[in-house]
Amino acid sequence: NAGVTQTPKFQVLKTGQSMTLQCAQDMNHEYMSWYRQDPGMGLRLIHYSVGAGITDQGEVPNGYNVSRSTTEDFPLRLLSAAPSQTSVYFCASSYRGMGYDEQFFGPGTRLTVL
Amino acid sequence: ILNVEQSPQSLHVQEGDSTNFTCSFPSSNFYALHWYRWETAKSPEALFVMTLNGDEKKKGRISATLNTKEGYSYLYIKGSQPEDSATYLCARGSGNTGKLIFGQGTTLQVKP
Repeated sequence: NAGVTQTPKFQVLKTGQSMTLQCAQDMNHEYMSWYRQDPGMGLRLIHYSVGAGITDQGEVPNGYNVSRSTTEDFPLRLLSAAPSQTSVYFCASSYRGMGYDEQFFGPGTRLTVL
Repeated sequence: ILNVEQSPQSLHVQEGDSTNFTCSFPSSNFYALHWYRWETAKSPEALFVMTLNGDEKKKGRISATLNTKEGYSYLYIKGSQPEDSATYLCARGSGNTGKLIFGQGTTLQVKP
């Protein structure tokens, strides 16, 4: 099993550009989530999904969209990038709800918005 | 307590010292408390998931306790080693939403 994979590993955008961060898992996990990591702030939940076709907002959803058309994939879309979105983004998955089971994290995507 | 809070923010110890960190969280609507270990340039990895008041979990030299009534958990490392240097994150899961909310982490540096 590859576990949780994320692409790209690094990305530089200009303000106003859009892009999609890809996340995929091959563990047949129902729950997937996106976090951003900023210095001194731990991990903050952006959006999460409890299964294909179902998504919900986390703590910091503004400026991001998600969709979950398959169990395996959970892409994160930045609609119009802003410097405040410079961060490291982690995708995670778990077999059941995030309160029930440990989460498995991807390797992260480091995004810089100029 | 409204959020998940961890203390101290950072800790420097000598090899062989034992140490502990605190995670404080809202006790209402509690479902589970997670601990993760996060090494620099890597992804967080789960240490423990605890759900019951009074739970104690152990993995090697690392152990954790949980008090859901007063809303805190302790993580203990016995005889710290340089390879224990990492950021330790706790996260609280609530049953009704399924969300997992993280604290800001405690960064441990163990000097040889």
